[in-house]
Amino acid sequence: GQNIDQPTEMTATEGAIVQINCTYQTSGFNGLFWYQQHAGEAPTFLSYNVLDGLEEKGRFSSFLSRSKGYSYLLLKELQMKDSASYLCAVREGRGSTLGRLYFGRGTQLTVWP
Amino acid sequence: GAGVSQSPSNKVTEKGKDVELRCDPISGHTALYWYRQRLGQGLEFLIYFQGNSAPDKSGLPSDRFSAERTGESVSTLTIQRTQQEDSAVYLCASSPGLLEQYFGPGTRLTVT
Repeated sequence: GQNIDQPTEMTATEGAIVQINCTYQTSGFNGLFWYQQHAGEAPTFLSYNVLDGLEEKGRFSSFLSRSKGYSYLLLKELQMKDSASYLCAVREGRGSTLGRLYFGRGTQLTVWP
Repeated sequence: GAGVSQSPSNKVTEKGKDVELRCDPISGHTALYWYRQRLGQGLEFLIYFQGNSAPDKSGLPSDRFSAERTGESVSTLTIQRTQQEDSAVYLCASSPGLLEQYFGPGTRLTVT
């Protein structure tokens, strides 16, 4: 099974750096994803980690520690448009069930001017 | 190119009626997923289609829910005898493989 935990809400100031943490408990771990979801819109893909370490993509970076069941999403140089919900999702399974993702409840980030 | 599309965008139905939700995936994407998102909640996996393999139906909450997919194209999610707890946004996603999933805009279902 899986148990994905992330903070419900966070706030930060424009230009700042924010780190959104995600912890999980799962069997058959096969990758961790971060998605961004603006209010009333569909989620959009941000990052993917399957090995330990940091993946950097522009202003966004994502880190994974499989032994600790822990990931974080780091957002730098925050902009107002970064105000959204950030969803942590874990892929679990083998073979025909490999594509299934389990999502956390999301962290609502508000960026203030 | 065109993204994932879903119809209808909004559906209001009376308790006990059947509803059918449609998803048109991105052309060429072999994998298709249905999720449900209740207000203030995370995405809940419902069902997963991968090519011609048997679908993974393990997330369907009851036998009132069913889904079909025609080859690697359109999918329909059917909810029979709708209940108020079925009210949610139903999201469809498609993927060319096992990485990024591309989501549609969702269908907001309200059961009165």
